[in-house]
Parts: sequence; structure tokens; C-alpha cells
Amino acid sequence: GDSVTQMEGPVTLSEEAFLTINCTYTATGYPSLFWYVQYPGEGLQLLLKATKADDKGSNKGFEATYRKETTSFHLEKGSVQVSDSAVYFCALSDTRIQGAQKLVFGQGTRLTINP
Amino acid sequence: DAGVTQSPTHLIKTRGQQVTLRCSPKSGHDTVSWYQQALGQGPQFIFQYYEEEERQRGNFPDRFSGHQFPNYSSELNVNALLLGDSALYLCASRKLGVSNTEAFFGQGTRLTVV
Repeated sequence: GDSVTQMEGPVTLSEEAFLTINCTYTATGYPSLFWYVQYPGEGLQLLLKATKADDKGSNKGFEATYRKETTSFHLEKGSVQVSDSAVYFCALSDTRIQGAQKLVFGQGTRLTINP
Repeated sequence: DAGVTQSPTHLIKTRGQQVTLRCSPKSGHDTVSWYQQALGQGPQFIFQYYEEEERQRGNFPDRFSGHQFPNYSSELNVNALLLGDSALYLCASRKLGVSNTEAFFGQGTRLTVV
């Protein structure tokens, strides 16, 4: 079945450092890809998404490009802030099933930014 | 707009008991999905409800059941609770039939089974 694999955490960086969190997926067909963020004590918030190959999703300085050839959707940010500390989840949804809402998540990567 | 609201926020139950969790979708949304998030793990899809029917189901036993009401709100029921059912239960809603609409998540219900 479909699956998502993220780089293991935790990841600790200094403020203004460059961030990369790796994400690869296995899917039949052409899934949509997402990055969600979870702040302490809260639910999930959509950070960005891409619905087809070569699409780039971006939001709040974060970017990720849908790479079909490498089945990857790596999250990047050029200069992280303390407020970016959270758990980040890569996810996919199967677009073959009309109306499907099932999201398949990776295990999450905990990011801590030190001032 | 209140977004997706879930109740209660925390719950403690004893093994073997039954529990009901509730979810109100974001205004304008008509489909609700439930996820289980164990500590340190990503959310796992339990099932999706649309038009008061279960449309998709993940790999969860029949002890997990649900319901959707005419106002689109939803309940998740878990029978014969096990210690392993302790988790954060997340509800997500979406407007079906509109392309590229995102799923909005509630803050979750933290269930502890003792």
C-alpha cells in the first residue's frame, strides 16, 4: 500500500540555519503531497501542498517540490526561526479515488530551533 | 468561523469500557475523517464519513465505529477499550466535490486508557 518515509528526528538547529527535512513516498498512481505542522498541544495545520509532478508548494518561507522521478517531497527553509519549532509531517492522498480524503502520514520529524 | 471542534479535549477511561468522541466540522464542510495518533507517531486513518455513511476505512478493528449526523457532525465510538487505544484522536473535515480543498484538523481528543 501507499507509504511515506521521513528522515528521523529530532532535528536541532540554530536560528537562521538552513533546514531540510527529507520525505520520500511509495504510491500507486499520482498522489497529492502535503506537509503538515503540529505545534505543541495542537492539531495539524496544512503548511503546503503540491498536486502534480514538478509543482512547488510554498508557505511562510517553507518550500517543497514534487519530484516524481525520485518520489520525493523534501521540505526546505532558508532561515529558520525559533517559532518554527514543531513536529512536521509529510503526507500523501490517493487522487484515484474520487472524493477520497484518506491521508497517509509519515512518522513525523520533531524540529527544535535554538536562539 | 470556529474551525473543526472536538470534544472532550481529554478523557481517561478504564480497560474494557466504551468511549464516544465528538467532532463538529468547519462551516461549509460535509465530510469528516478520523485519525488515531499514537505518541511519537504520525496519524493513522480510521475512517471517513460522507452523507451519513462510512465511505473509506483504514486498518482498524470493528471495535471502532462511527456515525455522521444530518448536520455533518460526527462521533467516533470505541468499544472494549485496550491500553493500546491510548492516543490522540484527530478529526478532519473537508468540502467534498470541490477540487483541491484542504482538510482542516481539530485539536484532537487525548484518550488515556488505564
